[in-house]
Amino acid sequence: DTAVSQTPKYLVTQMGNDKSIKCEQNLGHDTMYWYKQDSKKFLKIMFSYNNKELIINETVPNRFSPKSPDKAHLNLHINSLELGDSAVYFCASSQAGAYNEQFFGPGTRLTVL
Amino acid sequence: DAKTTQPPSMDCAEGRAANLPCNHSTISGNEYVYWYRQIHSQGPQYIIHGLKNNETNEMASLIITEDRKSSTLILPHATLRDTAVYYCIVRVPNFGNEKLTFGTGTRLTIIP
Repeated sequence: DTAVSQTPKYLVTQMGNDKSIKCEQNLGHDTMYWYKQDSKKFLKIMFSYNNKELIINETVPNRFSPKSPDKAHLNLHINSLELGDSAVYFCASSQAGAYNEQFFGPGTRLTVL
Repeated sequence: DAKTTQPPSMDCAEGRAANLPCNHSTISGNEYVYWYRQIHSQGPQYIIHGLKNNETNEMASLIITEDRKSSTLILPHATLRDTAVYYCIVRVPNFGNEKLTFGTGTRLTIIP
């Protein structure tokens, strides 16, 4: 009964490769997010989608392309991976509104060699 | 969103109340105080939020000073499972643009 799930949990790949991370939420929320936590544990938002529309894009390189096929899914595709992309990526969801909490997934640890 | 200041680390004995302070001296009238925590290697978890009144839920209590320039998160009976990084976030709820800006937080260690 996982509320927000991500696959894979771990991803190890070579520089230059293209990879995707998938996120699904079963909470019926209409807003989903991607956050990045770097090696210094600094957690920063990358994107948010509301009803499948991009709302927030925090100056993320265009090698990162989120895709929301429906309200329950927000996938993250990364082209031409670089060493600096190594991080833990968290997906989150919430119901748009004034006060609603965000629910986070377990994270995907991406290591670029 | 207003800036917050938290101590980098704190210890608390198991079973005692853990009191985590947060300064937000530039908070504006329509900004709320939110608390999240991140247990090692897991995704952040919402704890509580408030505007100006004290709030309590099953996890914690939030005490906001009358001038709203600081707040304290209280875990009434800390357990080892409460060891985590606690983030105080101040933001204006904004329909459809609800990003959370995380600072460096307070690393709380519960001592057996």
